[in-house]
Amino acid sequence: KQEVTQIPAALSVPEGENLVLNCSFTDSAIYNLQWFRQDPGKGLTSLLLIQSSQREQTSGRLNASLDKSSGRSTLYIAASQPGDSATYLCAALHGSSNTGKLIFGQGTTLQVKP
Amino acid sequence: GAVVSQHPSWVICKSGTSVKIECRSLDFQATTMFWYRQFPKQSLMLMATSNEGSKATYEQGVEKDKFLINHASLTLSTLTVTSAHPEDSSFYICSARVRLVRSPYGYTFGSGTRLTVV
Repeated sequence: KQEVTQIPAALSVPEGENLVLNCSFTDSAIYNLQWFRQDPGKGLTSLLLIQSSQREQTSGRLNASLDKSSGRSTLYIAASQPGDSATYLCAALHGSSNTGKLIFGQGTTLQVKP
Repeated sequence: GAVVSQHPSWVICKSGTSVKIECRSLDFQATTMFWYRQFPKQSLMLMATSNEGSKATYEQGVEKDKFLINHASLTLSTLTVTSAHPEDSSFYICSARVRLVRSPYGYTFGSGTRLTVV
């Protein structure tokens, strides 16, 4: 059974810092891995999607990496801003692209202090 | 593109009543939709997978008679919480599998529904 774990559960940093969020998964047979952002009481916004054949994806100040062999992914946020404060969830797509299911980690709640 | 509209955003109901939550794909056809439940400060737990025109597939431990899912069209899936009780109070989110331009499939999420049963 696929399990996804995120560390740390919560993180507080001063504005401007670079930071790394960690995600690990037990079954390396994933199709892809996605990072999402969730604001309090809201739905999910997709940030980055990494296919199993890829090593990393970048979007603006965000960079996500994937190491299937070690079962790990990281989300790097550069020059953090107060507006980055939210919960970040990683999810592994277990199975094929058109029949698989997303398995979510518990999330990391980030607070960026001005 | 690939927007899923979920309604209502919040609902308060009395114990014993039923509540229906709707998810509509606005600009694409959603062959497959997923329903998740999220407790405070916890992650999303998949409840069921629904395919248009067929019965939903429920995850282990989810009562299919309590959480009725209907996916009668390619743009609408509904979740009905029947005979709701306070322990059903939670945040419910739907998701649709969508064909992306640069990769085979991705997932787009509704904005969620906060259900409070009193």
